[in-house]
Parts: sequence; structure tokens; C-alpha cells
Amino acid sequence: GESVGLHLPTLSVQEGDNSIINCAYSNSASDYFIWYKQESGKGPQFIIDIRSNMDKRQGQRVTVLLNKTVKHLSLQIAATQPGDSAVYFCAETIGTSYGKLTFGQGTILTVHP
Amino acid sequence: EPEVTQTPSHQVTQMGQEVILRCVPISNHLYFYWYRQILGQKVEFLVSFYNNEISEKSEIFDDQFSVERPDGSNFTLKIRSTKLEDSAMYFCASSRTGGAGGELFFGEGSRLTVL
Repeated sequence: GESVGLHLPTLSVQEGDNSIINCAYSNSASDYFIWYKQESGKGPQFIIDIRSNMDKRQGQRVTVLLNKTVKHLSLQIAATQPGDSAVYFCAETIGTSYGKLTFGQGTILTVHP
Repeated sequence: EPEVTQTPSHQVTQMGQEVILRCVPISNHLYFYWYRQILGQKVEFLVSFYNNEISEKSEIFDDQFSVERPDGSNFTLKIRSTKLEDSAMYFCASSRTGGAGGELFFGEGSRLTVL
């Protein structure tokens, strides 16, 4: 069936490096994408979102890129800090069901001081 | 900063028992959701709720599950007769709007352990 998935389950970087977390989606009808951060013992925390009519969106230290041609989503974190260590999930949704998110498997990001 | 709060943080129950998980959404939010996350797996949508009725539900949300907004502040998830496979972290979420850009705010979750 349709699903959202991640290429890499773990990512380790040094503090100060840039991080790139990738996500593939298979549902071409998806029109809204969100990145969430989940720290241990906590719920998912919204990072950034992007609609399908855009290919790039920037926030504070984070950038989301959307490539609809290959159904690929990425999250770039600039100057990664130890506090960025967490599990990162991409999520997608369709049409009027914006609260009904389909989450990807998650990538564990570890930032070494 | 307003937040979604959930109780209990952890509940252990015997198979077949009823469980009620409670959530207090952010006060001016109108859309409410339950998600679950089985250990080591991805977060899964269970149900969305708006205007005192279910908007959508997933195939996981069978007749053993129900939701209720008993008063102006609480939003509950009831599992009528728990099964071992119901063991998971259950997250409540709320949003002010139901459209794109209506950011979902998640609570810290209630861990359910069914023995």
C-alpha cells in the first residue's frame, strides 16, 4: 500500500556539522508534508512543514526540500547541536484530512560534541 | 506556552480490562486526535474528532475503541477490553484548525502496558 519511508535509520554527526535526513513517499496524492522531532519520552514536536506547491521552505536552522518528481523529502539541519539529537519523522497527509498524518519510520540523529 | 497534557503517564493493566486514557487539549483548539506508537515502530493515526463527533478513524480503531469529550476540557480514549497488542504509547494531539498549516501539538503520551 501507500507509505512514507526513510532511507537511513540512523545518522551520527559532529556538533557544528550540517545534517540531512531523507524521506521517500509513494503516494503522489500527498499534498502536505511535515517533519517532527521526537525526543526520548516525549511526543512528536513540529519542526517545519511544506505544501506540495512548494519545493523549499526554510525555518530557523532547518530547511525542508520537496522533490515531487522522485517523491522525496529531506530535512536539513544547519550547525547541528547536541540538543538536536532525537528521532526525526516525516509525515504526509492528503486533501482535507490534514490531521490524519501518515508517519515514516523515523531516523535517529545522534550529535556528538 | 500552552501544551497538551495526558494522564496517566503509564498504566499497566491485565488483558481484558477496560482502560481510559485522558487528555486535556490546548484550550482554543477545536480538532483532537489520538495516535499510537508501538515500541520501536512508527506513529500511527487512530482517530480524529471535531464538533463532538469522529471525523475519521483508521482500521486500528475498531469497536473496542471509543473517544469522548465529556466536558469542555477533556478528551478521552477508551479501550473496552484490552489485548496484548494494545500495548503502546498513546499520543493525544490537538490543532486549532483542521487544514494544512494547522499544526498538531502532541502530548507527551500515555504508555499502556497490557499483561
